[in-house]
Parts: sequence; structure tokens; C-alpha cells
Amino acid sequence: EAAVTQSPRSKVAVTGGKVTLSCHQTNNHDYMYWYRQDTGHGLRLIHYSYVADSTEKGDIPDGYKASRPSQENFSLILELASLSQTAVYFCASSVDRSNSDYTFGSGTRLLVI
Amino acid sequence: GQQVQQSPASLVLQEGENAELQCNFSSTATRLQWFYQHPGGRLVSLFYNPSGTKHTGRLTSTTVTNERRSSLHISSSQTTDSGTYFCAIVGTGSNRLTFGKGTKFSLIP
Repeated sequence: EAAVTQSPRSKVAVTGGKVTLSCHQTNNHDYMYWYRQDTGHGLRLIHYSYVADSTEKGDIPDGYKASRPSQENFSLILELASLSQTAVYFCASSVDRSNSDYTFGSGTRLLVI
Repeated sequence: GQQVQQSPASLVLQEGENAELQCNFSSTATRLQWFYQHPGGRLVSLFYNPSGTKHTGRLTSTTVTNERRSSLHISSSQTTDSGTYFCAIVGTGSNRLTFGKGTKFSLIP
């Protein structure tokens, strides 16, 4: 079964430290996305990618970097984690820009202390 | 930028009642999707429905594109329907989904 797998499932990070969230998909999808969800809110797009070795900024990219080393893998990097980055992060993939076939990972709960 | 407003923010019904969730958006949507988030956090796509009416099981989605609104109807709601429902659009000239803040749906047995 096609899937999007995120790791870790949860993480506690120290302010100022580096955090890497990983995402792996077996859907053979070109598009991959990173969203964050804050309590009581919808999802907001951080970065996305439509081809390996290329990433694009989403709506809230500040404080985040992304890396797409292959079609299957997409990472989100917090170089200097801050308290405001405490949230749940979701990775997703879609077959093309129409987003009609959209699959989410289970999410990563990040707590920055 | 494009905005998506969902109402109500929360909805509590008794099991067996019908639910109606609303989504209004600020720009013409080329794509519209409804998502369901389990209480544990997992998100699944329910409908891809940029226009017209679609059904699956007890769920019906109706989108009126020129009025910039969509609705999700849940008939004979069950406790397993509890969770949060999100509407998301791709606006004209965009290639990314913009999500509403969701409707949290709870059921009283």
C-alpha cells in the first residue's frame, strides 16, 4: 500500500538546537509538502517540492529549510529551533500540482523547550 | 492571499443526527478538497470536489464554485465520525492548498 512515513513520531528539542524531520513516500508522487499545525488551527504550508534536488517556499518558510535528495525523501530542517516552532508537522505527497491525490503522513509532534 | 473560512468552529450532536459543515473561500477555487482528521491526528482526504455534488457512504459534498462555497453533509452521524473536518482550496494562479481552521465535530452517544 502506498504510504507517507514520517520520523520521528515525536521529538523534544532544545532552543537553539538543530532539528531534522524526515519524510519518506512510496507513492511514486512528484510533489511533496511540509505543513505545520498549531492547536486549534488548520495546516499551513512551509515548503514543498515537485522534483528531486529542488524545493520551493510555501506560506510560512521563515526559520525552516527543506531538502529533497530523491523523489522518495523530503526533509524539514530547523537550524536554530525556537519555542514558536512547537507544533505538529505533517508531510504529504500528491501525484501532481492538481493535488487531487493527496496522502498525509501521521505527523511529528515537536516540542521545543 | 486566498482565505478559507469554515463554520461552525465546533459542532456537538447526538448520534443519529445529521450534520452540515460549511466552507466559504475568498478567491475562485480551481480545486477544493475536504479532509478528515482523526482524534489521534491522522489526516485523510474525503472528497476532491471543485464543483457539483459527490457522495460517498453517508457523506455528501456540494460545491457551488461561482458562489465560493462548499458544504459537507454527514447523515445519521455515528461516534466514529467524531474528529475535525478541514476544507482546503487551490486558488486560481496558485499551486498549493490553503486550509481552513476546521470544524471540530463531536457526538453524544
